[in-house]
Parts: sequence; C-alpha cells; structure tokens
Amino acid sequence: DAGVIQSPRHEVTEMGQEVTLRCKPISGHNSLFWYRQTMMRGLELLIYFNNNVPIDDSGMPEDRFSAKMPNASFSTLKIQPSEPRDSAVYFCASSPSTGVGHTIYFGEGSWLTVV
Amino acid sequence: AQSVTQLGSHVSVSEGALVLLRCNYSSSVPPYLFWYVQYPNQGLQLLLKYTSAATLVKGINGFEAEFKKSETSFHLTKPSAHMSDAAEYFCAVSNTGGFKTIFGAGTRLFVKA
Repeated sequence: DAGVIQSPRHEVTEMGQEVTLRCKPISGHNSLFWYRQTMMRGLELLIYFNNNVPIDDSGMPEDRFSAKMPNASFSTLKIQPSEPRDSAVYFCASSPSTGVGHTIYFGEGSWLTVV
Repeated sequence: AQSVTQLGSHVSVSEGALVLLRCNYSSSVPPYLFWYVQYPNQGLQLLLKYTSAATLVKGINGFEAEFKKSETSFHLTKPSAHMSDAAEYFCAVSNTGGFKTIFGAGTRLFVKA
C-alpha cells in the first residue's frame, strides 16, 4: 500500500518567493496533519484537518502560511512570501480516525531551504 | 493539558548493550502513549503504542516499553543494541480529551561498534 506521498522532496527557493508543498494522504484516512521540524523547535503541529475541514490551525506561524484540503486525497501548504526562517522539513501525516489513540502515518517530508 | 518529557537529547551505547530511552508524561486523563522512530532523511514511523491494554508493550525491532502510572513513565528499552538502531526516537501522548498528539523533543541514539 502506498504511504503518505509528499512533493517536492527538496526545494530551494529565494526569499520572497511563494512555496507550495503538496500531500496525498493514505486512502481511507480522514485526518490529515501538517508538521514542521527544525533543530531549534523540534516537531511542531501546524494544522489539523478532519474530513477535509480545518479543525485547528493554531500552530500556523503567521498569515504567510496557509493550508487547504480541497478533497480527501489532496492537501497543500503554502508559504507566501517565504523567509529564510521558514527553512525546515515539512511533514504531512494522516491517520485513520481522529488521531486519538490511533497511529499517525508520516510522509518522508519536504525539505525546504529559503535563501 | 498533556505533555511529554524525554530525558536526554542524546544517548550513546555500545553495540550489544542495553538501550534505555526515558519518557515521562503528563495527562489529566488516561493517556495513549507512543514511541516513534525517525531514521535519517525519513519521516517518523510507529515503533509501539500503549492504549490501556497490557502495560508492557512490545514493538518492532525488539523494542518494548512499560507503562508505569505511578511514575508517569513510558521508557523504551531494547536488551541488545544494533548498529541499525541508530536513529532519533520520539515519545508522544494523546488522550480522549482532544485530537492532538503531543511529541517530545526527541532522543538521538548513537550506537558504537
């Protein structure tokens, strides 16, 4: 079975440019998460969707970040404009239920470098 | 509120030695507890989880963890380390009170030949 699929795997962009990260969750999973991982801050939950609806976006750093889930099989995380401090690994993850007590399945990450 | 604290950001053991990674949790309701492992350049994957059944939980690759309510701990152990165990390990907690799974800061395990 295919896991969580993220693209691009690596992106290098210049400050001020728009960045769009894409995610295809595991089929049948109704919860989707976007995480960010950095050395300084560890693993941070940015936003959580349940049945395509954003439930909690309190982890989104600022208005430059936005996320959408137009259908059950696709989600995007957009950064506009990007800044060097946005450099991190961004993980998309999905879960078969609300995530409480259920395993979260992670993609391999999108490595973003903003120069 | 719930939280996890992983004691030690780095742990180094010799190949064949006991692995012990420490995790303490805080939760106002019975928790679900997890250990995830992250190999270099990969996402996290589940190692094992506690969901209020047996207090000793066995996971993949010979790892196990014991839920101790009195100590609010969920330490991860493996009797004999292998070079392939070198990775970062994350303890996590969630409960019926919310949807969030809270991850610890991670412990990087080094295995010396």
